[in-house]
Amino acid sequence: GENVEQHPSTLSVQEGDSAVIKCTYSDSASNYFPWYKQELGKRPQLIIDIRSNVGEKKDQRIAVTLNKTAKHFSLHITETQPEDSAVYFCAAGSSNTGRRALTFGSGTRLQVQP
Amino acid sequence: DAGVIQSPRHEVTEMGQEVTLRCKPISGHNSLFWYRQTMMRGLELLIYFNNNVPIDDSGMPEDRFSAKMPNASFSTLKIQPSEPRDSAVYFCASGRSDYEQYFGPGTRLTVT
Repeated sequence: GENVEQHPSTLSVQEGDSAVIKCTYSDSASNYFPWYKQELGKRPQLIIDIRSNVGEKKDQRIAVTLNKTAKHFSLHITETQPEDSAVYFCAAGSSNTGRRALTFGSGTRLQVQP
Repeated sequence: DAGVIQSPRHEVTEMGQEVTLRCKPISGHNSLFWYRQTMMRGLELLIYFNNNVPIDDSGMPEDRFSAKMPNASFSTLKIQPSEPRDSAVYFCASGRSDYEQYFGPGTRLTVT
């Protein structure tokens, strides 16, 4: 089955700096890679996703890159703000096998210092 | 349009009691997922349904756990008998064929 590893487990940055979270996956059949943000006591919320037919996707201050050859994908947050503080999860899924389940990484706790 | 609805939001019960968690997916979504989240194990997929049919229940911890989806708008996750190690936040998520998943607010279960 799929295995997703996520690094780092914790990340502290100063407000205004950039933050990068990296994930690797094992199943070459995976072709869907979402990122979720979970604030304390809240539900995971989908913030951005990328499919394997593109290498990069951007939405305002967040962007995701995908390297299918190396089987890794990353989340980039620019001009971080205190409200970006949360736990971020990456995930991987495959449409080829008909499975709609996602395999999640272990999460990264991002702390943005004002 | 309402998001995924879960009930109850909090449940405190004694060991040995039966617990039933409920989920109403987003209308029009054909996939439903049950997850469990703990500090130790993170976010674990327990079971998922596609078009009301269970597809993969390999994540269900043991026979004490069971899940049903009698129709497209309702699902239950039952634990009988409950144990303290079942204490966690249980999330239900629903999705469409394009693989996006949307999570409900979760049920925080405490078994004493």
